[in-house]
Amino acid sequence: GQNIDQPTEMTATEGAIVQINCTYQTSGFNGLFWYQQHAGEAPTFLSYNVLDGLEEKGRFSSFLSRSKGYSYLLLKELQMKDSASYLCAVRVTSNTGKLIFGQGTTLQVKP
Amino acid sequence: DTGVSQNPRHKITKRGQNVTFRCDPISEHNRLYWYRQTLGQGPEFLTYFQNEAQLEKSRLLSDRFSAERPKGSFSTLEIQRTEQGDSAMYLCASSPGTSGASYEQYFGPGTRLTVT
Repeated sequence: GQNIDQPTEMTATEGAIVQINCTYQTSGFNGLFWYQQHAGEAPTFLSYNVLDGLEEKGRFSSFLSRSKGYSYLLLKELQMKDSASYLCAVRVTSNTGKLIFGQGTTLQVKP
Repeated sequence: DTGVSQNPRHKITKRGQNVTFRCDPISEHNRLYWYRQTLGQGPEFLTYFQNEAQLEKSRLLSDRFSAERPKGSFSTLEIQRTEQGDSAMYLCASSPGTSGASYEQYFGPGTRLTVT
């Protein structure tokens, strides 16, 4: 089966740094995606990792270790608008490109 | 707006009725996906189209569900004889076609179905 685990909820303070972890056990691996989803809205793409290491994009960074089946999303200089759900998703095969999602981590940023 | 669009945004129906949702993907994208999302969960894959061909269906997609993508453009998802368990957000996503590369999926705003 396919299994992707994330913490259900996290709380952090405005201006701080937060790390959201994701572990996965899937039948295949062709890339890991992070999406942001505000309540009642569509998921929007944040980052993509297919090789081990860190990918940085502005205030957001994502890390991947394929041997450990582990990824994290790092959010720096947190802003109130970062309060949202963060979804970790694995693309099991490039043939179809379908994504297997974790349950999502709801992040609450407090003043 | 050249993003993915979905209609209707909200649908309330009585148990046993049939419903149909529409998705218009980004025009140059030949891959189209349907997902279902319930409260507090991540999206679950339902089905995938490459152009007009439906190439994969999840076991979640019972025989009450059918999806089409005529001419490889817009897609429809029909649910027959709706049940209360069908209440969810139905998301459509599209992406460019070739394998490899990031080719993230672009999601539409979803159709929220409530079955009473």
